[in-house]
Amino acid sequence: QKEVEQDPGPLSVPEGAIVSLNCTYSNSAFQYFMWYRQYSRKGPELLMYTYSSGNKEDGRFTAQVDKSSKYISLFIRDSQPSDSATYLCAMINTGGFKTIFGAGTRLFVKA
Amino acid sequence: EPEVTQTPSHQVTQMGQEVILRCVPISNHLYFYWYRQILGQKVEFLVSFYNNEISEKSEIFDDQFSVERPDGSNFTLKIRSTKLEDSAMYFCAGKRGLAGTGELFFGEGSRLTVL
Repeated sequence: QKEVEQDPGPLSVPEGAIVSLNCTYSNSAFQYFMWYRQYSRKGPELLMYTYSSGNKEDGRFTAQVDKSSKYISLFIRDSQPSDSATYLCAMINTGGFKTIFGAGTRLFVKA
Repeated sequence: EPEVTQTPSHQVTQMGQEVILRCVPISNHLYFYWYRQILGQKVEFLVSFYNNEISEKSEIFDDQFSVERPDGSNFTLKIRSTKLEDSAMYFCAGKRGLAGTGELFFGEGSRLTVL
């Protein structure tokens, strides 16, 4: 089983839609959960960062972590064409040096 | 102004040649990383570097790969004898905070094409 599973998509939605992206993971030692956004031919940029279980909201973005189910989600409200990118979930275990990334989900928001 | 600067942006090389990719992180970064992304695939961890030594490396990071930070600023990834399958985008990243916390700041990447 892969450490982090993420559906690569692509996911195509109309402008204004609510987008739901998610990842599952197998390593219960993961404590820090992140979502990065990557535009074509660019390096990933951090969008959201959460520690352990719970929700975190930042503008149109909400990150959810359910450690009991080993499941994390990113919701994008009122999606915009500028949100079109690849969204990567990422995780770190306590005391770990490395960040492990999911495969990334390609999102297209149509105007 | 990006926090991490990478050079070259694109390098084409012949199989078997040595390649050095360079990265200049911001001075307050303490942890340094190389990641690789083969076209259309996931971002894969290669190596982490802290306090002038490798702190962790993946199975991809075999004897053909090496890293160093010789002058306290440039952080380099060397591939001694490139193979076709080394063709990928290589990302350098820096982190300010303690291991396990903090944001990774990625560079724009160096695209390596091995012919």
